[in-house]
Amino acid sequence: AQSVAQPEDQVNVAEGNPLTVKCTYSVSGNPYLFWYVQYPNRGLQFLLKYITGDNLVKGSYGFEAEFNKSQTSFHLKKPSALVSDSALYFCAVRDVPQGNQGGKLIFGQGTELSVKP
Amino acid sequence: DSGVTQTPKHLITATGQRVTLRCSPRSGDLSVYWYQQSLDQGLQFLIQYYNGEERAKGNILERFSAQQFPDLHSELNLSSLELGDSALYFCASSPRGRASTDTQYFGPGTRLTVL
Repeated sequence: AQSVAQPEDQVNVAEGNPLTVKCTYSVSGNPYLFWYVQYPNRGLQFLLKYITGDNLVKGSYGFEAEFNKSQTSFHLKKPSALVSDSALYFCAVRDVPQGNQGGKLIFGQGTELSVKP
Repeated sequence: DSGVTQTPKHLITATGQRVTLRCSPRSGDLSVYWYQQSLDQGLQFLIQYYNGEERAKGNILERFSAQQFPDLHSELNLSSLELGDSALYFCASSPRGRASTDTQYFGPGTRLTVL
């Protein structure tokens, strides 16, 4: 079964420093991986996805993610954190469609990112 | 703004009651997904519809049901509500039904509180 894990419940970073939010995955077949961000009292916003190709994926708001097949990881990164980046971040993997069924998203438990000035 | 709309934003009701949550997908999207977000269970997939037909079922209780209408909007019906049903319910949409590469875009959610 497809699964993702986010090993850190919380990540604390000083503004201006680089940030990394970790995600590891377990899939059968090709991994289709996604990052979403949830601001307080808001819905999930799509940041980026890895489907195939370049292992470094660039997304919204200056975020990028590095796909590493050997380490089965898909870590989210940003070179210089902003206070406004403080939010809940979710890694997700697309489930493999079975027959006529679509592929749902399977989410990690989320990582709370706190960026302090 | 993702283009997915959900109403109402907040819903407060009592145990045993029935509520309906509404979702309008992005223009042109044929698939609608419902997810539940709770503190203890995290984000869980409930059900998917594609062009009016049910496509996949997840951890959806028998007391819950959904449908997608010809104009592609979807409704999630929750009945015989229990305290444990209090959660944030998200709707997401994507263009196609089975394409694993499609991005799912999420609405702002409906926060359900059962008292």
